Amino acid sequence: GAVVSQHPSRVICKSGTSVKIECRSLDFQATTMFWYRQFPKQSLMLMATSNEGSKATYEQGVEKDKFLINHASLTLSTLTVTSAHPEDSSFYICSARGQGDGYTFGSGTRLTVV
Amino acid sequence: GENVEQHPSTLSVQEGDSAVIKCTYSDSASNYFPWYKQELGKGPQLIIDIRSNVGEKKDQRIAVTLNKTAKHFSLHITETQPEDSAVYFCAASGTTSGTYKYIFGTGTRLKVLA
Repeated sequence: GAVVSQHPSRVICKSGTSVKIECRSLDFQATTMFWYRQFPKQSLMLMATSNEGSKATYEQGVEKDKFLINHASLTLSTLTVTSAHPEDSSFYICSARGQGDGYTFGSGTRLTVV
Repeated sequence: GENVEQHPSTLSVQEGDSAVIKCTYSDSASNYFPWYKQELGKGPQLIIDIRSNVGEKKDQRIAVTLNKTAKHFSLHITETQPEDSAVYFCAASGTTSGTYKYIFGTGTRLKVLA
């Protein structure tokens, strides 16, 4: 079945630095990928829709200059958290749509900003 | 805006009993309803889904029912086992600008007591 690999699974960074998270579709091509943020014991909040070869579409309230998304190929989307602050600490999850309607999610990235 | 309500937020059942989780969606254009299981520190995994032209779907111990008129859909887990303990999310999806964006419910934390 469809597999989405997300890397890294955990990252700790200092305030003010940038962190890049990768999301790869391993056995299928994904023209569209989605990036979510999840706070403890809460639901998934859609941050942006990543479109291959074009600009990402951000949800209301999400700073596009802070959360840079690049979808340069049909199998890779990246999320870069720029100038990270402690309030950016969260669980970030990507998903990609294969041939069917269902999305496959990555395993998530736990970001801690200290 | 589009909204998906999910109840209950927490659910404890004895091993072997059934568990039912209910969701209500607001967008009548929604036509695809997946259910995801999320274990601690991991990404969500699709467990079952249903399209709007079907009223019920079953896969072993898991079933989903859909009432389009009432905009309700439910997850039924029979003969629960301790490994069913996790957070379950419902979602509703329809074509919005061709992207099939998901709207997630708030999640249900299921505990199966041995």
